[in-house]
Amino acid sequence: GQQLNQSPQSMFIQEGEDVSMNCTSSSIFNTWLWYKQDPGEGPVLLIALYKAGELTSNGRLTAQFGITRKDSFLNISASIPSDVGIYFCAGQLADKLIFGTGTRLQVFP
Amino acid sequence: GAGVSQSPSNKVTEKGKDVELRCDPISGHTALYWYRQRLGQGLEFLIYFQGNSAPDKSGLPSDRFSAERTGESVSTLTIQRTQQEDSAVYLCASSSSSFYGYTFGSGTRLTVV
Repeated sequence: GQQLNQSPQSMFIQEGEDVSMNCTSSSIFNTWLWYKQDPGEGPVLLIALYKAGELTSNGRLTAQFGITRKDSFLNISASIPSDVGIYFCAGQLADKLIFGTGTRLQVFP
Repeated sequence: GAGVSQSPSNKVTEKGKDVELRCDPISGHTALYWYRQRLGQGLEFLIYFQGNSAPDKSGLPSDRFSAERTGESVSTLTIQRTQQEDSAVYLCASSSSSFYGYTFGSGTRLTVV
């Protein structure tokens, strides 16, 4: 099935560091969303972006909807151990979401 | 209920057997989605139900896969004659509007041996 390209695949960082991950597509999307998945759980919505160029923050998280509408990035500032998990981007295509391949984040104390 | 509920949480089955996976969406959510997540992979769209409209089955990988939903309630995903490559976590999500994202269940981990 169709998936978005997400990078990096995995990251190993120290607590307190900032993190950046991005998502690209060959298709234009009207909505971009970022989800986090903890082990054994379903993904949970972190941030939703609805307009090209939009920059949105949610606590230590900041996400941007690319001007071309084909990409998005997510930044996490001052990482903490509970940030560990898999982060997925998703773009809206008609009535369904197409998900990225995921970025696995490990945070070491 | 308060969230999306899926059952069973884990299922081990023998190759060739049929399995049924159940999803209880959030009450009042008209849209229901099934996704498959293979180990270490992203989420792969399978099927989408919206109210009483015909479902979007474009993501079902083969005719061994089918799903039903009665009205705006429970959905069942059925996999017939399971194969080892069917081993994955099957995630269900529901939404009042896809524009605002989905709420996911915790998934059913299917292992075909």
